[in-house]
Amino acid sequence: QSALTQPASVSGSPGQSITISCTGTSSDVGGYKYVTWYQQYPGKAPKLMIYEVSNRPSGVPDRFSGSKSGNTASLTISGLQAEDEADYYCSSFTSSSIPPVFGTGTKVTVL
Amino acid sequence: EVQLVESGGGVVRPGGSLRLSCAASGFNFDDYGMSWVRQVPGKGLEWVSGVNWNGGSTGYADSVKGRFIISRDNAKNSLYLQMNSLRAEDTALYHCARYSSSGLEYNWFDPWGQGTLVTVSS
Repeated sequence: QSALTQPASVSGSPGQSITISCTGTSSDVGGYKYVTWYQQYPGKAPKLMIYEVSNRPSGVPDRFSGSKSGNTASLTISGLQAEDEADYYCSSFTSSSIPPVFGTGTKVTVL
Repeated sequence: EVQLVESGGGVVRPGGSLRLSCAASGFNFDDYGMSWVRQVPGKGLEWVSGVNWNGGSTGYADSVKGRFIISRDNAKNSLYLQMNSLRAEDTALYHCARYSSSGLEYNWFDPWGQGTLVTVSS
């Protein structure tokens, strides 16, 4: 199972909106609703930000939103804040059922 | 507070063994499947292994199958990973993570531990 494809880096100024893409295949992203996004600060544990394509766990700010079209999922951060500077990883359920597949990761920089 | 704390990492020679542990607290441990996910420093995430709520079902990545063994002790709220025949490419930060349900089918992982570093080097 190949890793999902994400841009290596995305940047934006405070207050702007940015979107991170996550491209897979019909055997993972395109075929199932279990697309997930994680945020990770250096040296810290990944944190669940979005589950089932577009759902936010309690405590995650509503400026984070998720969507999917075909084999590509997207994470949008609206009203970018300095604290959003981190690495972001997507992941998906796959047709293999047990092993999930992760994205290559995107470093978000707040200018 | 729901928490996962890993331990047991260290430096080991190629061909050696290591046992990782993950202590869980703040939730009913035996209600959930558990997993190990590794991360080469500065790189991405790779699922390594998972175990269902009672240990009766396990899964492994092809890269570790036959060398690693996952297990759990629900009485001790603990998850383990026995790592044998270690290779340089196993060098990574190993996180434990909780499945969203009692089984192994992936929906999402939440929470994750901060990880324990395994370095395989001669």
